Amino acid sequence: SQTIHQWPATLVQPVGSPLSLECTVEGTSNPNLYWYRQAAGRGLQLLFYSVGIGQISSEVPQNLSASRPQDRQFILSSKKLLLSDSGFYLCAWRPLAFSSYNEQFFGPGTRLTVL
Amino acid sequence: AQKITQTQPGMFVQEKEAVTLDCTYDTSDPSYGLFWYKQPSSGEMIFLIYQGSYDQQNATEGRYSLNFQKARKSANLVISASQLGDSAMYFCAMRDDRGSTLGRLYFGRGTQLTVWP
Repeated sequence: SQTIHQWPATLVQPVGSPLSLECTVEGTSNPNLYWYRQAAGRGLQLLFYSVGIGQISSEVPQNLSASRPQDRQFILSSKKLLLSDSGFYLCAWRPLAFSSYNEQFFGPGTRLTVL
Repeated sequence: AQKITQTQPGMFVQEKEAVTLDCTYDTSDPSYGLFWYKQPSSGEMIFLIYQGSYDQQNATEGRYSLNFQKARKSANLVISASQLGDSAMYFCAMRDDRGSTLGRLYFGRGTQLTVWP
């Protein structure tokens, strides 16, 4: 069965510090991968998506970046965090396109607080 | 541009009663998918139900059903026989099926459902 992991679960970082959030998927190959951010009391905003190793597309301009060094690993990074980067970060995966699966599967999330 | 609208920031329902959470969407694409997710206070996103734009019948999954009215572009979630454990934030989402392999989802702002005894 497929499993998605995210770590850390919670993180408190000072403004201007770097960030690295990791997401890994088990039990599948070549998934589409997604990073979402949820601000307090808001819906989910798509930040990045990837259809393969080294292939990253950005949805919104920001001081965040993403990388996919391995097929089932997706990393969200920042060189210098801003207060506005605080939120709940969710990683999601979807099986290969044109499969019979329709939904995206979400990880447990990382709650980031920037002080 | 694609858009999901959930007009109810909060809803209250008594245990064992049914409740409807509203969702309208906006797209010009003939092929799309509609989802409902539940997010309890722990933060995890739990998939509840899916409706494809070409599906002829409304989707049902246990106590969840999706009232799909294509002409009105609405996809309301109906929860029957509410339980205390149903208290959570509920998100409506639409998947982009346009000629790509992305499968990206567009989310509404959510409805906070509170079930009281």
